[in-house]
Amino acid sequence: QKEVEQNSGPLSVPEGAIASLNCTYSDRGSQSFFWYRQYSGKSPELIMFIYSNGDKEDGRFTAQLNKASQYVSLLIRDSQPSDSATYLCAVLLYNFNKFYFGSGTKLNVKP
Amino acid sequence: DGGITQSPKYLFRKEGQNVTLSCEQNLNHDAMYWYRQDPGQGLRLIYYSQIVNDFQKGDIAEGYSVSREKKESFPLTVTSAQKNPTAFYLCASSFQGAQYFGPGTRLLVL
Repeated sequence: QKEVEQNSGPLSVPEGAIASLNCTYSDRGSQSFFWYRQYSGKSPELIMFIYSNGDKEDGRFTAQLNKASQYVSLLIRDSQPSDSATYLCAVLLYNFNKFYFGSGTKLNVKP
Repeated sequence: DGGITQSPKYLFRKEGQNVTLSCEQNLNHDAMYWYRQDPGQGLRLIYYSQIVNDFQKGDIAEGYSVSREKKESFPLTVTSAQKNPTAFYLCASSFQGAQYFGPGTRLLVL
């Protein structure tokens, strides 16, 4: 079982809609959660992170954690074509200083 | 400007050749990492270093070597023992748990 799993997609949403991206993690010791955006041919860019104690909103982006079900989600409101990218989820286990990436979900926002 | 730089942007390797990818950061981060990304794939950890003069193997270290003589620098050498080196190589450093990436080096085999 992989430590972090994501649906590879593609997830297609119309412009202006809410895009919902999810990832599941296997280790209950996971304490920090990160979302990266990666445009084709570019390196990943950190866009959001949350700790195990709560959700976070930043502009059009909201990261939510469901500890009981062990998944973390990223909501993108008012999706724009410029949001089209692959979104990588990552978790950090402090006890072992281990950082795990999911393989990413490709998002297509159609004009 | 603070950040992570990688050079070159593109690198061509001939059969049997060792090549070195540069990674420099001026963020004063202690930990640095090297990842490999193949087309349509996730990130795979090659090596990481949490302090100067110390580094550990990641999941796919075979055919690679690193050094960490300075806090700012973490070069990666792709040796001739790495039989399938064509990939996108990403260097990262971390602060308060989050990892921040350089722009990457694309390695191609001639």
